[in-house]
Amino acid sequence: DAKTTQPNSMESNEEEPVHLPCNHSTISGTDYIHWYRQLPSQGPEYVIHGLTSNVNNRMASLAIAEDRKSSTLILHRATLRDAAVYYCILLVNTGNQFYFGTGTSLTVIP
Amino acid sequence: DGGITQSPKYLFRKEGQNVTLSCEQNLNHDAMYWYRQDPGQGLRLIYYSQIVNDFQKGDIAEGYSVSREKKESFPLTVTSAQKNPTAFYLCASSMTTQNIQYFGAGTRLSVL
Repeated sequence: DAKTTQPNSMESNEEEPVHLPCNHSTISGTDYIHWYRQLPSQGPEYVIHGLTSNVNNRMASLAIAEDRKSSTLILHRATLRDAAVYYCILLVNTGNQFYFGTGTSLTVIP
Repeated sequence: DGGITQSPKYLFRKEGQNVTLSCEQNLNHDAMYWYRQDPGQGLRLIYYSQIVNDFQKGDIAEGYSVSREKKESFPLTVTSAQKNPTAFYLCASSMTTQNIQYFGAGTRLSVL
């Protein structure tokens, strides 16, 4: 199984940047790194994904380490609506599944 | 609007009863998935389908069954063999199994 490791919980003040870390030491060269988030009692929502280079979109940025064994999801200015569980997932190129861990529960403090 | 529709939102099962959860998508996606989520836990894959008339077991398929007769529909049956069915069930779809997954709003199943 492709595994990721994330802190169970993190806190951030509103309007400050948030850096959510993820370790994936077993990643292989063709595995994509995906991030999803889940609000309470809702389905997960896609945030961002990448392979080797850093990626930006309207929701967040993804910084991938040079050795690809870790990555960081960056929310540039946290809002109360960003309070959610964030999942870092590897999409294994030779497989057909996403493996969701328990994720990081982000609390945003007003 | 394009998306994934799960119904019902809440479902109650009596002991010994089979129940079926509905999942419909109008995104023209080939791949569809069913996940189970227990409180405070991540998602675990029950079944997935890469194409019509084909499906594969995930990590926790015992006590569940699926069908994929149409591209847009992937119903999940929770059978009486599933002894602990109380959970939040999520359906997802993607263009292929290598693409972004889009999720429905979920069905919360409880046992009476």
